[in-house]
Amino acid sequence: QVQLQESGPGLVKPSETLSLTCTVSGGSIGSYYWSWIRQPPGRGLEWIGYIYSGRAKYSPSLKSRVTISVDMSKNEVSLRLTSVNATDTAVYYCARGWSFDHWGQGTLVAVSS
Amino acid sequence: QSALTQPPSASGSPGQSVTISCTGTSADVGNYNYVSWYQQHPGKAPKLIIYEVNKRPSGVPDRFSGSKSDNTASLTVSGLQAEDEADYFCSSYAGSNNYVFGSGTKVSVL
Repeated sequence: QVQLQESGPGLVKPSETLSLTCTVSGGSIGSYYWSWIRQPPGRGLEWIGYIYSGRAKYSPSLKSRVTISVDMSKNEVSLRLTSVNATDTAVYYCARGWSFDHWGQGTLVAVSS
Repeated sequence: QSALTQPPSASGSPGQSVTISCTGTSADVGNYNYVSWYQQHPGKAPKLIIYEVNKRPSGVPDRFSGSKSDNTASLTVSGLQAEDEADYFCSSYAGSNNYVFGSGTKVSVL
């Protein structure tokens, strides 16, 4: 059974860069789409972007600040979000596939000085 | 892109049915059969319960069903059970390598 685990700092200062890693176990990372999705506290879900076969696509609203990459040797998918502000405070999830059929448990990132 | 529109809340008694709507546009829900539904309990990650409009992943009870008409998708939960009390979100492919989620519906079992 595939498992996804997000990790990274829980606190980031305004204007700095948010960096998270999603470690995939129980399956190969190479054959699937891998997305990052976030959820501000008490609010809905927002798709950030995906990577597949080394090519990444991003939400138009975040495109200028987001980079998603993959390290096949470590079975990891990474997210970088630059110039963060308070509105980027959210639980960040990684998810697999076209339909997001498997999700990590999520990691809360707060943006605050 | 705008979020898909869902009613904020829905409710039903145990054993009854509840239907949740998810309204988009001809650029997303109306144009693609890539509508999915997710169940999220408090403090937990979302769980896929319907994909490609009306398909159920393995292990999801057949009490959950999905459909679509024009720009609106729907999720029906039949035979409501206490454990169905959760938030439900829809999503749709929106073209140009873009996805959009619904605003979410809180389902209460009375």
